[in-house]
Amino acid sequence: DAKTTQPPSMDCAEGRAANLPCNHSTISGNEYVYWYRQIHSQGPQYIIHGLKNNETNEMASLIITEDRKSSTLILPHATLRDTAVYYCIVVSSGSARQLTFGSGTQLTVLP
Amino acid sequence: NAGVMQNPRHLVRRRGQEARLRCSPMKGHSHVYWYRQLPEEGLKFMVYLQKENIIDESGMPKERFSAEFPKEGPSILRIQQVVRGDSAAYFCASSPGWDYNEQFFGPGTRLTVL
Repeated sequence: DAKTTQPPSMDCAEGRAANLPCNHSTISGNEYVYWYRQIHSQGPQYIIHGLKNNETNEMASLIITEDRKSSTLILPHATLRDTAVYYCIVVSSGSARQLTFGSGTQLTVLP
Repeated sequence: NAGVMQNPRHLVRRRGQEARLRCSPMKGHSHVYWYRQLPEEGLKFMVYLQKENIIDESGMPKERFSAEFPKEGPSILRIQQVVRGDSAAYFCASSPGWDYNEQFFGPGTRLTVL
């Protein structure tokens, strides 16, 4: 699975959009981009995933660049409860979905 | 529908003892994954099991660690002769199938080895 690179930390004001970037320049054609988050040492929580089209669900939006070498997770109206470590993970289709968590981005939402 | 359950939530063992960690997947889920999170690090995959089968154990240490998921009952991660370096949070996740998009994680078991 391709390696991902994320900034170690970011701050965001409550109520504003949080944009979390992820680089995955070695991603291959059959690999998906997944996002999970971990709130204060709890079990990780799935957020969203995509292959090449932009995706949106009730939690977030995922924007994947046309060359698929990077993506951005968008939390449209961040709340204090969104403070967490966010992990961008590349997963090969057809695999057993073994998730490889990197260092992630610590997002702190400020009041 | 209850989520993934893990017990105990906290486990303290002395060096050389055995640790048994249990994971009950969500109802209807037959696939279980175990991960380990060392302090200040991300989660690392250990093993993937279906009922009565180990599918992928590429992340399991070669010695002292074993996992099972019997036909009845929870999945068990067993660590024999624990050492201080085994101190970590152990998370299990479940899914209905191998190709299901989301893994549902439990709250974790925090193992402390004295």
